[in-house]
Amino acid sequence: DAGVTQSPTHLIKTRGQQVTLRCSPKSGHDTVSWYQQALGQGPQFIFQYYEEEERQRGNFPDRFSGHQFPNYSSELNVNALLLGDSALYLCASMPLTISGRTGTQYFGPGTRLTVL
Amino acid sequence: AQSVTQLDSHVSVSEGTPVLLRCNYSSSYSPSLFWYVQHPNKGLQLLLKYTSAATLVKGINGFEAEFKKSETSFHLTKPSAHMSDAAEYFCVVSTTGSNYKLTFGKGTLLTVNP
Repeated sequence: DAGVTQSPTHLIKTRGQQVTLRCSPKSGHDTVSWYQQALGQGPQFIFQYYEEEERQRGNFPDRFSGHQFPNYSSELNVNALLLGDSALYLCASMPLTISGRTGTQYFGPGTRLTVL
Repeated sequence: AQSVTQLDSHVSVSEGTPVLLRCNYSSSYSPSLFWYVQHPNKGLQLLLKYTSAATLVKGINGFEAEFKKSETSFHLTKPSAHMSDAAEYFCVVSTTGSNYKLTFGKGTLLTVNP
């Protein structure tokens, strides 16, 4: 059973560019959340997708947007990159349907984004 | 609203001695509490979780945590540290009221000395 997968592993961009990160959830999971982990900090919640809609959002600007596809996979897009966007971006999945609701989220290995 | 405070940013122990990583939480709803571990350049791995069943929770690799509602604490312990336990540990809270959004503490770096 494959766990949560993310691509790419590493990414280098320059200021002002746009980036797309991808996530495939664990088998049987229908909810995907994205987190940003700056160096030396705990992860911070960006947003959560369920049934292809953004269900809730953390304190991040509109430059951060996302999408969820019918197969539950998800993308995180960041526009107009800033130096401060350099971080590890983590994707987490969980089952939100009643039968699988536990609140436990499983994390992927992350995408390390460096903005120069 | 929910929040987590990890009381120590860095804990250093000798191999074979007990580990104690401290965590206090705040939550408007009945919380679910987790400890995750992150080894260098790796993703987050779930160590254990509390979801309103037994207050003493056993996790992987010999770790356990005790939920104390009166103290709003969820400290992580291990009787005997191993070199492989050296990592960053995060205390995390979520609630059904937040649709299971995870709120992380700032982390505690555990160093294990030979």
